[in-house]
Amino acid sequence: EPEVTQTPSHQVTQMGQEVILRCVPISNHLYFYWYRQILGQKVEFLVSFYNNEISEKSEIFDDQFSVERPDGSNFTLKIRSTKLEDSAMYFCASSEASGGATQYFGPGTRLLVL
Amino acid sequence: SQELEQSPQSLIVQEGKNLTINCTSSKTLYGLYWYKQKYGEGLIFLMMLQKGGEEKSHEKITAKLDEKKQQSSLHITASQPSHAGIYLCGLSGGYQKVTFGTGTKLQVIP
Repeated sequence: EPEVTQTPSHQVTQMGQEVILRCVPISNHLYFYWYRQILGQKVEFLVSFYNNEISEKSEIFDDQFSVERPDGSNFTLKIRSTKLEDSAMYFCASSEASGGATQYFGPGTRLLVL
Repeated sequence: SQELEQSPQSLIVQEGKNLTINCTSSKTLYGLYWYKQKYGEGLIFLMMLQKGGEEKSHEKITAKLDEKKQQSSLHITASQPSHAGIYLCGLSGGYQKVTFGTGTKLQVIP
């Protein structure tokens, strides 16, 4: 069964460093998403991406964040200058369509900023 | 303000017992997802409900949507240790993002 994969599973970085989180969505899906979950808190939407453009973003997704689909399979989230409060689990998801289509999630990347 | 509230926050049940988790929305429900979260596995899609009165089942898990009450319930029959995890309801934003509830942590004691 097709699934969303994410790498790395864990990442530790120093405050101020750049990190890139990688995702391989399900191959025939067209819509891609990033969510994050700070320890003990709710899963929060960050951004959605379609046709090589951001289609929706939350207020969390500020100028420090960017997303890219560098090739036909990968979808990345870059945090330019990490802060302590960026420590969280980051989930990638993909769906065939928008407007209520089921989003399938990857296993997540746990990011720890020291 | 909270858009989706889940109750209870946590639940410990004996294996074989039935249980119900509730999800109440402060907004009109156009579509509601149920996911299960297990460490290292991300969010596992269980089912989506789109119409008032809709009821869906998957194995021993049944979910219902009460549009008038702006509420959904998830019922597990004859719980097993494999049902343990965190159950999340999610509100379809009508376009793309999913807004998740506070989560219900379920433990099943053998």
